[in-house]
Amino acid sequence: GDSVTQTEGLVTLTEGLPVMLNCTYQSTYSPFLFWYVQHLNEAPKLLLKSFTDNKRPEHQGFHATLHKSSSSFHLQKSSAQLSDSALYYCALSSFNNAGAKLTFGGGTRLTVRP
Amino acid sequence: DMKVTQMPRYLIKRMGENVLLECGQDMSHETMYWYRQDPGLGLQLIYISYDVDSNSEGDIPKGYRVSRKKREHFSLILDSAKTNQTSVYFCASSSGTTGNTLYFGEGSRLIVV
Repeated sequence: GDSVTQTEGLVTLTEGLPVMLNCTYQSTYSPFLFWYVQHLNEAPKLLLKSFTDNKRPEHQGFHATLHKSSSSFHLQKSSAQLSDSALYYCALSSFNNAGAKLTFGGGTRLTVRP
Repeated sequence: DMKVTQMPRYLIKRMGENVLLECGQDMSHETMYWYRQDPGLGLQLIYISYDVDSNSEGDIPKGYRVSRKKREHFSLILDSAKTNQTSVYFCASSSGTTGNTLYFGEGSRLIVV
């Protein structure tokens, strides 16, 4: 079945350093990939999603590139900010017998220190 | 305003009691979801509903059932709650199929003692 793997459960960085959160996936089809962000005591919300062509999605300084050859969709940012501290989920959208569904990875908690 | 509303936000129940978590959305989205969130396990899909009375099991449906009688409402029912169902439950909605954004509610924190 479909699955998403986020290898780091916790990432701690110093402000100003680059961010890279890993995401790999397994899917029978060619899925859409997403990154969702959840700040403390808030609901998860969409950060960015993959395109069907080779465009690189970007939002709030974050970007991610879908590499179908390696089944990866890593999240990157050139310079971490304190406000980036949050829980980040990678997810893929695919089909089951009834229709589309969204499968999430285990999440990576990013903490940015001054 | 696009909004997903969950009630109640916090709930404490005894083992064996029934639990009803309710979710509403004002976007006329046809697809709605129930997830539970546990540390290290991420968001796990319990049930998905593609429209009224068109529900499908997710990855962890055991111990749960759902009801969707109106497009804007989606309920999660726990018959005889268990302590391992203590979790934060999120409802979400989306429109269309692959590639569409999920809009999440604020979550319902359930504690089963």
